[in-house]
Amino acid sequence: AQSVAQPEDQVNVAEGNPLTVKCTYSVSGNPYLFWYVQYPNRGLQFLLKYITGDNLVKGSYGFEAEFNKSQTSFHLKKPSALVSDSALYFCAVRAGIYGGATNKLIFGTGTLLAVQP
Amino acid sequence: AAGVIQSPRHLIKEKRETATLKCYPIPRHDTVYWYQQGPGQDPQFLISFYEKMQSDKGSIPDRFSAQQFSDYHSELNMSSLELGDSALYFCASSLVRSGQNNEQFFGPGTRLTVL
Repeated sequence: AQSVAQPEDQVNVAEGNPLTVKCTYSVSGNPYLFWYVQYPNRGLQFLLKYITGDNLVKGSYGFEAEFNKSQTSFHLKKPSALVSDSALYFCAVRAGIYGGATNKLIFGTGTLLAVQP
Repeated sequence: AAGVIQSPRHLIKEKRETATLKCYPIPRHDTVYWYQQGPGQDPQFLISFYEKMQSDKGSIPDRFSAQQFSDYHSELNMSSLELGDSALYFCASSLVRSGQNNEQFFGPGTRLTVL
């Protein structure tokens, strides 16, 4: 079964410093991986996705993620954190196979990012 | 750009009552998904529809049902509500056609509180 794990419940970083939010995956076949961000009392906003191609994926708001097949990881990164980046971040994997009928997302448990001024 | 619309945004019900949540997907999107997010939890998939047909089913209680209408909007019907049904319910939509793996766009959610 497909799954993702986010080992850190919370990540603290000072504004201006680089940030990393970790995600590891377990899938059969090629993974389709996503990062979403959730602000308080808001819906999930799509940040970026990896389907195939370059291992470094660039997304919204200056975020990027690096797909590492050997380490089965898909860590979210940003070179310089902003206070406004403080939110809950979810890693997700598409449950089904490519072209299959199942497209549901399986989410990790989320990581709360706190950026201090 | 048009986003996923959900109504109502907040809903308060008593135990054993019924509730109906509505979702209007992004225009031209052909697939709708419903997720439930309990307090402090990650979103859990409930059910999805592709071109008005149920395409997948997750951990959705038998007390819940859903459908997608001809205009592609979807409704989640919840009966015999229990305290544990209190959660944030998200609808998402995407364009799923052969050879595409587009991301899901989420609505703002409906916060259901069961008293």
